[in-house]
Amino acid sequence: AQKITQTQPGMFVQEKEAVTLDCTYDTSDQSYGLFWYKQPSSGEMIFLIYQGSYDEQNATEGRYSLNFQKARKSANLVISASQLGDSAMYFCAMREGQTGGGADGLTFGKGTHLIIQP
Amino acid sequence: DSGVTQTPKHLITATGQRVTLRCSPRSGDLSVYWYQQSLDQGLQFLIQYYNGEERAKGNILERFSAQQFPDLHSELNLSSLELGDSALYFCASSVDPGGGDHGQGALFGANVLTFGAGSRLTVL
Repeated sequence: AQKITQTQPGMFVQEKEAVTLDCTYDTSDQSYGLFWYKQPSSGEMIFLIYQGSYDEQNATEGRYSLNFQKARKSANLVISASQLGDSAMYFCAMREGQTGGGADGLTFGKGTHLIIQP
Repeated sequence: DSGVTQTPKHLITATGQRVTLRCSPRSGDLSVYWYQQSLDQGLQFLIQYYNGEERAKGNILERFSAQQFPDLHSELNLSSLELGDSALYFCASSVDPGGGDHGQGALFGANVLTFGAGSRLTVL
């Protein structure tokens, strides 16, 4: 089973609108972290936001917020007031706790290609 | 500039050859991770080193090997290259070893991975 599922391969959004990128995850661990990264066309991976499984409040970083619904195992990224420069691939990722198969690397979803239109 | 340096940026080689990709982590980071990004497989975790020791292994082929040196830079060696090895190879670094040493989810926030710009390998 996929550990991270991003169901939107691509999205078109008008500039200045808010956009929600979906992410669901699968883990049996109680302790885990959820991350969002942005990959523009230049290729680098840019960290956007993090949510710990024990955090009771949704994480926010500037125009980015994470809508964390633990019971539904959902960690959607919300970008407010989208800008042309937000056009990029967006990846949701998870790091599981000690029982997570031994690998400490992040497990990434397949990504969502977001295109902001003027 | 993320602070993680990867060389070379681009590399074109032939099947059967061997290449070495180099990574210098961000100053102060002790952990180095290697990832492979291809169109069909997405981002795959290969291997992690922490302070010179192998920490975790992911989907790394036997033809691939890596090491982390005393100055904390890391090298990923890819041998007997095949067409399917063409991909973008990322190095990332973090302060902590992560995972099992931190039982509380809140502490994962201290272990954000910072990625380099990647090395694009083309095997012809």
